Amino acid sequence: EVQLVESGGGLVQPGGSLRLSCAASGFSFSDFYMDWVRQAPGKGLEWVGRIRKKANSYTTEYAASVKGRFTVSRDDSETSLYLQMNSLKTEDTAVYYCARSESYYPIDYWGLGTLVTVSS
Amino acid sequence: IRITQSPSSFSASTEDRVTITCRASQGISSYLAWFQQKPGEAPKLLIYAASTLQSGVPSRFSGSGSGTDFTLTISRLQSEDFATYYCQQYYDYPITFGQGTRLEI
Repeated sequence: EVQLVESGGGLVQPGGSLRLSCAASGFSFSDFYMDWVRQAPGKGLEWVGRIRKKANSYTTEYAASVKGRFTVSRDDSETSLYLQMNSLKTEDTAVYYCARSESYYPIDYWGLGTLVTVSS
Repeated sequence: IRITQSPSSFSASTEDRVTITCRASQGISSYLAWFQQKPGEAPKLLIYAASTLQSGVPSRFSGSGSGTDFTLTISRLQSEDFATYYCQQYYDYPITFGQGTRLEI
């Protein structure tokens, strides 16, 4: 059974940093692209970023709203995905979901999410 | 690529037939997916490649379209179908979602 479990969310002040983690199990983690998607309270879904697999040189893509501030990384040996968030803004407040994907395929599995609150 | 989803909300009854539409600002071939999200839960993939039903999804869900115009149809609404639905294009970066359609009783 595919499982994605996020952790690391919490309260952080504007301008601060936070690192989210996602522990994956139940599938061959190294064979898939991995994404982060967020959802602000009461709002819709916003794709944040993607990291490709080793065969694609672990290259990354980002939404314009987070480019230069957020970094997606992965550790295939630990079957873990990460999201380093710097220079956080109040508008980054959201539930952050870890998700599995592939080239030219949509996200097919999602974690339960972790809440990040950016507030003074 | 901007995705315009309509309607934003809709009231219906069980056994009704419902259609939700998404329009892309440029052609995306068939690289469109539909998700269902219930309160407090993660989204669930229903349909990908515009019309391919994800494994385990009831056959009352169907999708159609290509290029810029797409539809999700639920043929006979069941009580468990009342949720919010999102479309997503995965043709180009950044990946983008529609604004969502809240389906209410």
